[in-house]
Amino acid sequence: AQSVTQLGSHVSVSEGALVLLRCNYSSSVPPYLFWYVQYPNQGLQLLLKYTTGATLVKGINGFEAEFKKSETSFHLTKPSAHMSDAAEYFCAVSPPDNYGQNFVFGPGTRLSVLP
Amino acid sequence: NAGVMQNPRHLVRRRGQEARLRCSPMKGHSHVYWYRQLPEEGLKFMVYLQKENIIDESGMPKERFSAEFPKEGPSILRIQQVVRGDSAAYFCASSPWTGGTEAFFGQGTRLTVV
Repeated sequence: AQSVTQLGSHVSVSEGALVLLRCNYSSSVPPYLFWYVQYPNQGLQLLLKYTTGATLVKGINGFEAEFKKSETSFHLTKPSAHMSDAAEYFCAVSPPDNYGQNFVFGPGTRLSVLP
Repeated sequence: NAGVMQNPRHLVRRRGQEARLRCSPMKGHSHVYWYRQLPEEGLKFMVYLQKENIIDESGMPKERFSAEFPKEGPSILRIQQVVRGDSAAYFCASSPWTGGTEAFFGQGTRLTVV
């Protein structure tokens, strides 16, 4: 069975500082990987995803993530935090087959950006 | 192409009543997922459906909760005899057949049981 862990339920950074949100997965085969963002009282919005190909993936709002198979990780980064980045971030995986894909979400990391 | 539509956005029910939450997936999407989110908590998977089939309901409570995705019309999550502990945000997501495609989320239904 697949599982996702996100180290740090709450991360605080200063405006302009590097953002690093960690995601590790457990799966018998490399899954498809996703990062979502959730703003208060809203649904989840896709930031970026990795399926195949280049392991460094760029997403919206200046975020990027790198798939490292040897570390079973898919950490999310942004070089310079902005106040508008304050939100909840979820890492998710789905199995790499074409039937019955089910998404497994991590517990989420709440990002606070300090002025 | 409209996104995933959930209604109502807010629902208030008294204890013992029934709650019906509706989800219309994006056009062309045949997979629907329901999640529950409690305040300050992550997403908890409830059920995964395709048209007229329940694929995985391992996250659904055994009693009072049911879900369907009929051939025509929206997916319905039904909670019978609601209790205060059912108060939460319920999110629906949809995806197409092809593996590797992300799930698209609705805005959620916030259920309050009084």
